[in-house]
Amino acid sequence: DTAVSQTPKYLVTQMGNDKSIKCEQNLGHDTMYWYKQDSKKFLKIMFSYNNKELIINETVPNRFSPKSPDKAHLNLHINSLELGDSAVYFCASSQAGAYEQYFGPGTRLTVT
Amino acid sequence: AQTVTQSQPEMSVQEAETVTLSCTYDTSENNYYLFWYKQPPSRQMILVIRQEAYKQQNATENRFSVNFQKAAKSFSLKISDSQLGDTAMYFCAFMKRWNAGNMLTFGGGTRLMVKP
Repeated sequence: DTAVSQTPKYLVTQMGNDKSIKCEQNLGHDTMYWYKQDSKKFLKIMFSYNNKELIINETVPNRFSPKSPDKAHLNLHINSLELGDSAVYFCASSQAGAYEQYFGPGTRLTVT
Repeated sequence: AQTVTQSQPEMSVQEAETVTLSCTYDTSENNYYLFWYKQPPSRQMILVIRQEAYKQQNATENRFSVNFQKAAKSFSLKISDSQLGDTAMYFCAFMKRWNAGNMLTFGGGTRLMVKP
């Protein structure tokens, strides 16, 4: 069974469109994250949710809106996509207070 | 805020030899974790090894070991008996301890190529 899954794995879309990336974890964790990996491979935290509550929002444009319908899901919705949004987006989960984060396989978003 | 620096963008090593990847960090925290993650071409993020800052003993996981120098804020990864499957991007990462959200702060990565 996949611990942290993301759909889709690849997403190609045009500028100005709105798209969503879904993330689900079956580990029973209470904390979930979104990270962005840019074209230079630099990884940076975007959001962190604990028990469906937003904990961290790292200066991400408000075109990005995370939504956590329950503890097992953290979806990322992006409005008005821009070329600079092209990246790999990773979802991860952990138990609050624990050190290890489990990463999903990543979603490669390409904006044309 | 924490920063993590990996000064070696690329490295290569012959199969079966030993290689050391460097990492330095800056923080005012006293309690934290440090990690090395591996990202092979499949892009999956894989935890290689972790170190708790309060532990003086360096962590070891099979062929992987670290040299943790807390005063110098240095955290290097040594890979012994390098294998072709070790070819990957390696990221050093920092996490505050017991922090709600437990976000990871990553270095810029080192691309390691193991040559046959």
